[in-house]
Amino acid sequence: GPKVLQIPSHQIIDMGQMVTLNCDPVSNHLYFYWYKQILGQQMEFLVNFYNGKVMEKSKLFKDQFSVERPDGSYFTLKIQPTALEDSAVYFCASSPGTGGFAEQFFGPGTRLTVL
Amino acid sequence: GDSVTQTEGLVTLTEGLPVMLNCTYQSTYSPFLFWYVQHLNEAPKLLLKSFTDNKRPEHQGFHATLHKSSSSFHLQKSSAQLSDSALYYCASTGANTGKLTFGHGTILRVHP
Repeated sequence: GPKVLQIPSHQIIDMGQMVTLNCDPVSNHLYFYWYKQILGQQMEFLVNFYNGKVMEKSKLFKDQFSVERPDGSYFTLKIQPTALEDSAVYFCASSPGTGGFAEQFFGPGTRLTVL
Repeated sequence: GDSVTQTEGLVTLTEGLPVMLNCTYQSTYSPFLFWYVQHLNEAPKLLLKSFTDNKRPEHQGFHATLHKSSSSFHLQKSSAQLSDSALYYCASTGANTGKLTFGHGTILRVHP
């Protein structure tokens, strides 16, 4: 079936550095998402993105976070600067539409460790 | 705000026995409910989603019924298989939002 890829699978960085997480969504999908999962907790919505714009974001989507998908390439989540509490697994997802009628396809996640 | 509750963190079963994983929700609107399954080192994949006309969704022997009166969408299967061992997430969303609200997840372990 359709697959979402995430690069890298693991990333370790020092607090205060910048990190970019990359997502290769399903090719004909139009809506893109990031979710955050801290160890032992549930996945939580960060942001969704459509037509070059952030459509919705949660309170977890701090000012240090940004998303973009330049020229139809990777959908990226950038954190600048990183903080210790940003350590988590970040899941990317994409869907052809939005709302309850559209299935979100998830990637396998990027495990980010901030030291 | 909206929330999804999965009361069991771990369910351990013998192969061939029935499976039931609990999911209840709180929502300010009439939500869509989903079950996602995640095998080790893989991406979460959609297993089932609720229908607006109350049809019972089924996939790979699993089924779930949306009960609005009890705000539940429990996942069931009549006979567990070893390959069903995985992490199961219940999630909800609204008709006009892309945000999925997840439960904590339930690990299902099926042993011979």
